Amino acid sequence: QLQLQESGPGLVKPSETLSLTCTVSGGSISSGHDYWGWIRQSPGKGLEWIGSIYKGGSTYYSPSLKGRVTMSVQTSRSQFSLRLNSVTATDTAVYYCASHYGFDYFDHWGQGTLVTVSS
Amino acid sequence: QSALTQPRSVSGSPGQTVTISCTGTSSDIGDYDFVSWYQQHPGEAPKLLIYDVTKGPSGVPDRFSGSKSGNTASLIISGLQVEDEADYYCCSFAGRSSVIFGGGTTLTVL
Repeated sequence: QLQLQESGPGLVKPSETLSLTCTVSGGSISSGHDYWGWIRQSPGKGLEWIGSIYKGGSTYYSPSLKGRVTMSVQTSRSQFSLRLNSVTATDTAVYYCASHYGFDYFDHWGQGTLVTVSS
Repeated sequence: QSALTQPRSVSGSPGQTVTISCTGTSSDIGDYDFVSWYQQHPGEAPKLLIYDVTKGPSGVPDRFSGSKSGNTASLIISGLQVEDEADYYCCSFAGRSSVIFGGGTTLTVL
């Protein structure tokens, strides 16, 4: 059973860069699922797709966040990462990583990690 | 790219059938059969319920089903149970390698 776990700082200062890593276990990041995604949920709000990355490194970002988002994949460590720069309080959210099957649906999710943007 | 439109809340009694709608456009739901639905209980990660409009992953009760007509997809929950009380989100491929979620619907089991 595929398992995903987010890790990274829970507090980021305004204007700085949010960095998160997702570690995949129970399967290989370079086989099976081709795409891996990040989704966030602001407090009391709905889900927002941030972007997805292909196992080979191609990236696909939400138009609303494009320009501030960078994703990368480290297959040797079974990890993929998210960087979001120039953060503001509106970026405060629970960030989830998930397997994105065929760029179609998100079938396995991490437990989520709360990132608060505050000075 | 606006969120797909879902009712803020729906409710039903145990044993009843409820339907949650998800309205998009001809550029997302209307153009692709890549609609998925997720259930989220408070404090938990979302869980996949339905994919490709009508398909259910193994382990999901067949009380949960999906359909689509034009630009609107629907999640149907039959034989409503107390544990079905949760938030539900639809999601669709939106072309140009992008994905869009609905705003979410809170289901209350009376």
